Amino acid sequence: DTEVTQTPKHLVMGMTNKKSLKCEQHMGHRAMYWYKQKAKKPPELMFVYSYEKLSINESVPSRFSPECPNSSLLNLHLHALQPEDSALYLCASSQDPSTGRGYTFGSGTRLTVV
Amino acid sequence: GQQVMQIPQYQHVQEGEDFTTYCNSSTTLSNIQWYKQRPGGHPVFLIQLVKSGEVKKQKRLTFQFGEAKKNSSLHITATQTTDVGTYFCRAGNMLTFGGGTRLMVKP
Repeated sequence: DTEVTQTPKHLVMGMTNKKSLKCEQHMGHRAMYWYKQKAKKPPELMFVYSYEKLSINESVPSRFSPECPNSSLLNLHLHALQPEDSALYLCASSQDPSTGRGYTFGSGTRLTVV
Repeated sequence: GQQVMQIPQYQHVQEGEDFTTYCNSSTTLSNIQWYKQRPGGHPVFLIQLVKSGEVKKQKRLTFQFGEAKKNSSLHITATQTTDVGTYFCRAGNMLTFGGGTRLMVKP
């Protein structure tokens, strides 16, 4: 299995809703990432998990809450989002964060906050 | 912080013309990676370059890493409409991507 699977593919949520994005990989990768991408911009790093521990939080607002239940799963819990949070949310994984290897990206969740 | 700068931001070419995008850094890079993102899609890893002066080819795509390991290029020979998308570089020791070059190919 050489894929990163993200669900859902599309999500529309109100500003008072609570929702979760899910990401799964079975490649044995020990680093997992959440990126946010706005239209016509590069992916912007949000969080890094290394060996199931949060190693980097790029000053992301607390309305985004990551969780890594095990080495294959990564969640992003969303609460009280703003319309400007609408974006493509990408999960990625790599073998090891310290070796600088290439990422495998999931197909993303296209989030719209209304 | 450290960044990689990509040029150009956009490039329109006629099908069959060549295309090159450049990635530049002010510091020495451990390695450089290239990704392609089709419109409406997600970034897909293309290649990683590690050695000074390294050149790798994938069909019509040629990737180069500079001798000083501070710059890299991706060259596409005889572009096709399937090459449309945004090409990003990423330095392996950074978690950020270059700004990307958006390639548009006119049939």
